[in-house]
Order: sequence, then structure tokens, then C-alpha cells
Amino acid sequence: GAVVSQHPSWVICKSGTSVKIECRSLDFQATTMFWYRQFPKQSLMLMATSNEGSKATYEQGVEKDKFLINHASLTLSTLTVTSAHPEDSSFYICSALRSSGNTIYFGEGSWLTVV
Amino acid sequence: SQQGEEDPQALSIQEGENATMNCSYKTSINNLQWYRQNSGRGLVHLILIRSNEREKHSGRLRVTLDTSKKSSSLLITASRAADTASYFCATDVRGTYKYIFGTGTRLKVLA
Repeated sequence: GAVVSQHPSWVICKSGTSVKIECRSLDFQATTMFWYRQFPKQSLMLMATSNEGSKATYEQGVEKDKFLINHASLTLSTLTVTSAHPEDSSFYICSALRSSGNTIYFGEGSWLTVV
Repeated sequence: SQQGEEDPQALSIQEGENATMNCSYKTSINNLQWYRQNSGRGLVHLILIRSNEREKHSGRLRVTLDTSKKSSSLLITASRAADTASYFCATDVRGTYKYIFGTGTRLKVLA
């Protein structure tokens, strides 16, 4: 079946630094990907919609300058958390829309810890 | 917030019993999906039910959908310890492929 890969699976970074998380669709093209954030014991909150070749669309309350999204190819979207703070520590999950079939596939998620 | 509500928030049952989780949502949908998430892990897709469907089965799972009440239920029959996880419903925002997740139910199945 279709697979969506996230990298890294977990990352620790220092406060004030930036960290990049990748979301790849391994065997299909995805013109649209979505980024979610999940705090411990809470649900997934949609952060933004990533569109290949155009600017991402952010949900209300999500800082676009802090969470930079780049969808430069049909199989890769990246989320960069800039100037990370401990409160950005969270589980970040992406999903990819398979253009043929209109099916959504989720990645395995990436744990970010900011120290 | 468009986020759906799930109840109960937490459920603890004995192995072999049935577990029922409910999901209510706020807007019109095309599809509703149920996912399982083991602690600290990614999502496992369980079932997708379309707005024109009322019930779907998959193994020990049974999902119902009542669009008039904007609600869905997930029934796990003959539960096992391995079913211990958090369960989320997710509804699409009509006209888009965005999915909004419910608050989730933490299920604990005691051996």
C-alpha cells in the first residue's frame, strides 16, 4: 500500500535553533500534504495545508513565520520550526493526498523535543 | 473550533468485553474515518465510512454513521489487551481534503 515517510522520527534541538522535518510520499505523487501537531494526551490539530508549487495555507492561530512549509516537489513537503522554544516540543504528523484516488495517507510522525 | 467531540474520554474494560466509542462533529462531511494510535506512535487507519453509508464492518470493528445527528460510533467486539490505544474519529471539511480530528478516546483493555 501507499506509504508516507517522515524524517526524522525524533529530534532534539536547542532553544533558538531551527529544525526541519520531512514528509515524503514514497510511491505516489501528492500535490497536497497536511501538517498536524499533537501535544501529549491530546488530539491532532491541523496546522497547515501544503500545496506543491505554491504557498501553504495556515490554520487560524498558526504562525506562518515560525512554521515554514515548503512543498517543492510532488513527493516532498518540509516543515521547518524556526527559533524553536520548549513549548514547540510536540509530535508532528503529516498526511499526503494521493492525487489519483483522492485518498489520504498518514506518516508515522516525528517527535520534536526542544531543550 | 471545528474539532469534534468524542466520548468517553477514557474507557477501561476487561478483555472479552465490547468497547463503544462515540464521535460527534459539527459540519457537513463527505467521509468520516476512525484511527487508532498507540502511545507515542503514528496513526493506524481503521475504517472509512462515507456520508451515504450508515454502517460498516471490518473484522471485530463496527462503525455506524448518523449524518442527521452528526455522530458516529465505533464498536470493538471481544476486545483484547492489544486493543489498548487511543481512538480518534476524523471528518473531512467538505470541499477540501482537510481532516479534523475528534478529541479521542483512550481505551484500556485489562487482561
